[in-house]
Formats: sequence, structure tokens, C-alpha cells
Amino acid sequence: DIVMTQSPSSLAVSAGETVTINCKSSQSLLSSGNQKNYLAWYQQKPGQSPKLLIYLASTRESGVPDRFIGSGSGTDFTLTISSVQAEDLADYYCQQHYSYPRTFGGGTKLELK
Amino acid sequence: EVKLEESGGGLVQPGMSVKLSCATSGFTFSDYWMEWVRQAPGKGLEWVAEIRNKANNYATYYGKSVKGRFTISRDDSKSIVYLQVNSIRSEDTGIYYCTTSDYWGQGVMVTVSS
Repeated sequence: DIVMTQSPSSLAVSAGETVTINCKSSQSLLSSGNQKNYLAWYQQKPGQSPKLLIYLASTRESGVPDRFIGSGSGTDFTLTISSVQAEDLADYYCQQHYSYPRTFGGGTKLELK
Repeated sequence: EVKLEESGGGLVQPGMSVKLSCATSGFTFSDYWMEWVRQAPGKGLEWVAEIRNKANNYATYYGKSVKGRFTISRDDSKSIVYLQVNSIRSEDTGIYYCTTSDYWGQGVMVTVSS
């Protein structure tokens, strides 16, 4: 199974800051056939269902603000949130869609400083 | 408007069975691969199972911790996906979400306790 390791597990930020969340996979998520990375990012606010933010490592889901930026390739990926807003306080998860079983990272809790 | 609505949860005794349902609307259900993801209280997300569409022969896949005990199925005529949970254990307690990855239900709580 592919192990997904997220860091940090929690992050305290002030509004307006830029934050970076890291996700590392135990195997490459890059498909040699189409050169796409099968990595998604989800946001989960307290008491709510997860919401897809980013897929294929860097493609924003429709309606997601452009302050959310996904990057990386192979085994190392990053979610950057520029100019964090209060509404961005949530848990963030990466998930690989490269092979079965699909696996999630342990999550990163974004909190207010 | 896209809707996914899970049902069938509740209090279940260890060793018993429960069948979760997810009724959907607002999208072409038969085209989509459907998944179940769960979340234990205060914990992270855990991928549970997936069923592909007819074009992909309704292939099914399972997480390691549920393989052999859980069965995912679908009824394209009713736009419903199911999760049959057998030999349920305390560690199966949590919120169960059905999802297409881009659409998510609100989840249904399953509590395993005697």
C-alpha cells in the first residue's frame, strides 16, 4: 500500500499569512503513461464533509479560490494557501488516486494563532 | 443540484451486520465511480471501498481493514450505492461518507457497541 505522510500535523497561522502543507508518498504517483500525478487535496471544516480542492496535484476544482495552489510531482507534493483567511481554518488531507487501496495522509489542522 | 444522502446507520452490536445506503440525484449516477470513506471520531479520513461504473464492469476495491467483511454495490436504476457491513467491530465506529471524490454526502454515523 502507498503510505501518505503529511506535515505538519497542525499549523497556527494569522490571517493574511501564506502557509504550506506537505504531503509525501511512499511511491511515485506519477503515471508514466500520461505524465499526470494522481494526488488530491481535500478541505474539511468542523462538522462538515470533506471538500475537493485540488486534483491531479495542481488542478483546482471549480469554484475553489485561486489562493489555493497545489504543486509537486512524483513523491513530494505541497498545498500552498496564500493570504489565509478565517474561512480557511480547517483540516486538510492529501489522498493518492494512483493505486488501490486509495490512501489518505494523516491530515493537517490549520488553526488561528 | 447534486445531492448524496446516506442512511442506515445507528447503534449496532459487535458481530452484527448493517447496510448503508446512499441515494443520489443531480448528476448522471451511472457514469460515476462511487466510493465510501469513513472517519472515526476525532480521527482522519479512511478510504473504505470503491465501485466503478458499468463501462468498467462494476469493478470493486476495498481497504485492507474492511476487505472480506464489507461489500459495496450499486443500483444504477435507482442511483443508489450501498455498503454492506458484516461482522462489525468497535473500530468500525465512525461517520461513513459516500462520495464521487468531487461530490460528498453529509455522512451517516455508525456506532458499534453492546
